[in-house]
Amino acid sequence: AQSVTQPDIHITVSEGASLELRCNYSYGATPYLFWYVQSPGQGLQLLLKYFSGDTLVQGIKGFEAEFKRSQSSFNLRKPSVHWSDAAEYFCAVGDTNAGKSTFGDGTTLTVKP
Amino acid sequence: EAQVTQNPRYLITVTGKKLTVTCSQNMNHEYMSWYRQDPGLGLRQIYYSMNVEVTDKGDVPEGYKVSRKEKRNFPLILESPSPNQTSLYFCASSHDTYGYTFGSGTRLTVV
Repeated sequence: AQSVTQPDIHITVSEGASLELRCNYSYGATPYLFWYVQSPGQGLQLLLKYFSGDTLVQGIKGFEAEFKRSQSSFNLRKPSVHWSDAAEYFCAVGDTNAGKSTFGDGTTLTVKP
Repeated sequence: EAQVTQNPRYLITVTGKKLTVTCSQNMNHEYMSWYRQDPGLGLRQIYYSMNVEVTDKGDVPEGYKVSRKEKRNFPLILESPSPNQTSLYFCASSHDTYGYTFGSGTRLTVV
């Protein structure tokens, strides 16, 4: 069975500082991996996705993520955080038929001025 | 505008009274899915559909039904709601493996 672990429930960073959100997955084959962001009171928005090929993927809003098969990880990064990045972030793994997706429990990001 | 539309946004109902939450997408996506979101539990998949008349259970299907008679619509049916189904529900759609586009959510309270 596929599963996703986001070890950090809550992270606080200062505006302008770099950010890394951790994600570990469990899946029997090459996974489809996603990061979503949810602002308060909103639905989820897709930030980026990995299917195959280059292990460093670029997304919207200046985010990137790196797939590391040996570590079963797909960590999200941003070099300089803006106050508007404060939100909840979800990592997800999907299977090859793209229907079934499993989400992590989420990491809440707080940005200090 | 490409979007997933859920209705209603808010719903308060009583235990045992059947209800339907509608979901519609205008992107001609093959895949559609329902999730529930509860504090500390992330999003859990209820049901998903890979195309018209093709549906499958997610991780928490008990107490829910779905149907996919048309490509654009994927209603979620609670035949006999119970208080433990109080939650925030999201519908989502996807083209192949491109990642889901989510609706704005339906906050359901069952008393």
